[in-house]
Amino acid sequence: KAGVTQTPRYLIKTRGQQVTLSCSPISGHRSVSWYQQTPGQGLQFLFEYFSETQRNKGNFPGRFSGRQFSNSRSEMNVSTLELGDSALYLCASSLIWGNPGANVLTFGAGSRLTVL
Amino acid sequence: QKEVEQNSGPLSVPEGAIASLNCTYSDRVSQSFFWYRQYSGKSPELIMSIYSNGDKEDGRFTAQLNKASQYVSLLIRDSQPSDSATYLCAVHSGGGADGLTFGKGTHLIIQP
Repeated sequence: KAGVTQTPRYLIKTRGQQVTLSCSPISGHRSVSWYQQTPGQGLQFLFEYFSETQRNKGNFPGRFSGRQFSNSRSEMNVSTLELGDSALYLCASSLIWGNPGANVLTFGAGSRLTVL
Repeated sequence: QKEVEQNSGPLSVPEGAIASLNCTYSDRVSQSFFWYRQYSGKSPELIMSIYSNGDKEDGRFTAQLNKASQYVSLLIRDSQPSDSATYLCAVHSGGGADGLTFGKGTHLIIQP
């Protein structure tokens, strides 16, 4: 079956612009999480959605937001882009929300954002 | 603040030898522990998960957990060049906790 699909794969923006990234989870998966990966900070948790509700949020400013649709697809938005937002943004899906011990997180290929 | 510490490496191991990767975590209530492998330019993929103290084996991989010492390790037996990658340790506190906390990863190089 199809894996986690993220679009776009690569994008270049300038400071001050905004960006929207999309994630389609594995069919049947209802939980979607977003992570930011940078060389300096590694993988950091952004937020997690289940049943169209944000269940958890990491320690990121309000410029980072997201949502989930009724078909479990998710989008994340970053407004007023800063140079430091350049990163690989990874989406991961799992069957249900909560203890990932019961559900494996499967990552998409990521969206690589460059802010100039 | 929850922290997961790993030696960044690179860790160089000859082909056929055992590679030993280590990870410590700060949150004592952590319940779930994972090892992900990430090839350069690719996304992380799950290698092992472990939830209780002791060893868990899957093929050439063995995960070891010691909650009292807050320590997780991954052993790779009969290392192959294809095992060369960055290995990420991840920890979750369970229930409605804030996602996975990842270490920054150990870069493993298997020398042919």
